Amino acid sequence: NAGVTQTPKFQVLKTGQSMTLQCAQDMNHEYMSWYRQDPGMGLRLIHYSVGAGITDQGEVPNGYNVSRSTTEDFPLRLLSAAPSQTSVYFCASSSHRGNEQFFGPGTRLTVL
Amino acid sequence: QQPVQSPQAVILREGEDAVINCSSSKALYSVHWYRQKHGEAPVFLMILLKGGEQKGHEKISASFNEKKQQSSLYLTASQLSYSGTYFCGTEAGNMLTFGGGTRLMVKP
Repeated sequence: NAGVTQTPKFQVLKTGQSMTLQCAQDMNHEYMSWYRQDPGMGLRLIHYSVGAGITDQGEVPNGYNVSRSTTEDFPLRLLSAAPSQTSVYFCASSSHRGNEQFFGPGTRLTVL
Repeated sequence: QQPVQSPQAVILREGEDAVINCSSSKALYSVHWYRQKHGEAPVFLMILLKGGEQKGHEKISASFNEKKQQSSLYLTASQLSYSGTYFCGTEAGNMLTFGGGTRLMVKP
């Protein structure tokens, strides 16, 4: 199993550009989440999904969209990038509530 | 609302013990503990569930006071490999939110 994979590993954007961060898992997990981690800070929940076709907002959803058309994939879309979105983005998955979260390797995003 | 962790940082000598605390204002389903090394993704340590069940990979112990919505992680006989940032995550409903982290440094 590859676990949770994220692409790209690094990305530089200009203010106003849009892009999609990809996340995929091959463990047939129902739960998937996106977190951002600013330097020296904790993880903040952006959006999460409890199954295909179901998504919900986390703590800091503004400026981001998600969709969950399949169990495996959970892409995160930045609508119009801003410097405040410079961060490391982690995708995570788990089989159900109360189970271990498996984190992807992260995407380091810089917005100029 | 994010859980609150304390202390923010700890420095230990190899072999010493430490306790990291986590508290929430919400009624919790579970508390998670993860460790993150610099430049890496968080790695699972333990989950404590409402009702008393615990799941974990390592020889690390923790407690969960359901009435107070508080959890503590106990690191005993610390090793150099324990260095990193420890995060507690609290699960309420279907949301898992994390605290700000506790930086632990273990010195020889």
